[in-house]
Amino acid sequence: QLQLQESGLGLVKPSETLSLTCTVSGGSITSSEYSWGWIRQPPGKGLEWIGTISYSGRTHYNPSLKSRVTISEDTPKKQFSLNLRSVTGADTAVYFCARHNVVSGYYFDAWGQGALVTVSS
Amino acid sequence: QSALTQPASVSGSPGQSITISCTGTSSDIGVYDYVSWYKQHPGKAPKLLIYEVSNRPSEISDRFSGSKSANTASLTISGLQAEDEADYYCSSFTTTNTLVFGGGTKLTVL
Repeated sequence: QLQLQESGLGLVKPSETLSLTCTVSGGSITSSEYSWGWIRQPPGKGLEWIGTISYSGRTHYNPSLKSRVTISEDTPKKQFSLNLRSVTGADTAVYFCARHNVVSGYYFDAWGQGALVTVSS
Repeated sequence: QSALTQPASVSGSPGQSITISCTGTSSDIGVYDYVSWYKQHPGKAPKLLIYEVSNRPSEISDRFSGSKSANTASLTISGLQAEDEADYYCSSFTTTNTLVFGGGTKLTVL
């Protein structure tokens, strides 16, 4: 059964870089049927799509975050990562990684449990 | 890109049916049948309910159904149960190869 697990620091200082890694187990990260994505949810608010990376390394980002975001992958380790630069308090959120089905409809069919990242000095 | 528009809250009694709307534009819902719906309990990860407007994963009850008309998608839950109380989110693919979520709807089962 496919499982995704986020990991990374839970506290980041303003102006620094938020870094998270998602480790995939129980399935392949190199299938052309899927991309891999990040979604965040500020406390008490809705979901916001951050971006996705395909099996070939092609990325797509939310235009509102594009200047600060990099998503990369390490296929031998079955991991993909999120870097968000120059963070502020508005970046405090639970960050989810998820598998993105790109063959039959562009939807997220498996999610990690989420990792809370707080931006504070 | 702007978030899709959902009502902040809906409610219904056990056994009733409710519908949650999700309004987008001609750059997302209006042009693609790539609308999905998710259910989220507090403190948990979202769970896929519907994909491609009206398709259900095999493990999802047929009490959940989806539809679309022009720029608006809808999720209908029939035979409401207490465990349906949760937050619901729609999502759509867009013409700029991005994804957008709705603001979320809190369903209360009275």
